[in-house]
Amino acid sequence: KNEVEQSPQNLTAQEGEFITINCSYSVGISALHWLQQHPGGGIVSLFMLSSGKKKHGRLIATINIQEKHSSLHITASHPRDSAVYICAVRSGGSNYKLTFGKGTLLTVNP
Amino acid sequence: EAGVAQSPRYKIIEKRQSVAFWCNPISGHATLYWYQQILGQGPKLLIQFQNNGVVDDSQLPKDRFSAERLKGVDSTLKIQPAKLEDSAVYLCASSRTSEEETQYFGPGTRLLVL
Repeated sequence: KNEVEQSPQNLTAQEGEFITINCSYSVGISALHWLQQHPGGGIVSLFMLSSGKKKHGRLIATINIQEKHSSLHITASHPRDSAVYICAVRSGGSNYKLTFGKGTLLTVNP
Repeated sequence: EAGVAQSPRYKIIEKRQSVAFWCNPISGHATLYWYQQILGQGPKLLIQFQNNGVVDDSQLPKDRFSAERLKGVDSTLKIQPAKLEDSAVYLCASSRTSEEETQYFGPGTRLLVL
């Protein structure tokens, strides 16, 4: 079993829809990251969370440390949001290693 | 500030050939990471440097992969000899320190082994 599980693996939405991507992890962490990867492009960090909730524009990320679960929400989705969204957790070890989920491929159709 | 630079962006080689990738991190970033991302998977850490020292190379296939960061700035990752299963995107990332939460990723090198 992977240490970081994301769902769904693929998600197709219509422009304007509210989107939720989920991430569950099985290890103790010091922080959780949500990252965005466009096709052929590099990875961009969206959020780093250790508790509660963060909001940036139309993106909202929440984390429940007790349940070892995080969600990424996109409000009023747009075709330019189409990308792979990756959840990564940072362990508390001395090298602060990141462990990544497999990613969720989001396609937003106009 | 300039981002993480990687070259080449694409490389096609035949199995058993050798290949090298180069990464120049953001200026002043002490920590450098090399990740392998196979299609449909999340990135997997191959090696982490702190300045010119190796912090973690536990998932680096040392029989064929090697990496160095001799002067603590730019880094090279080499595969010799390459196998079909090495086809992947090789991502380089850097952060100010190993404790720094944010890693900045380069555009990646897409390797195809035929």
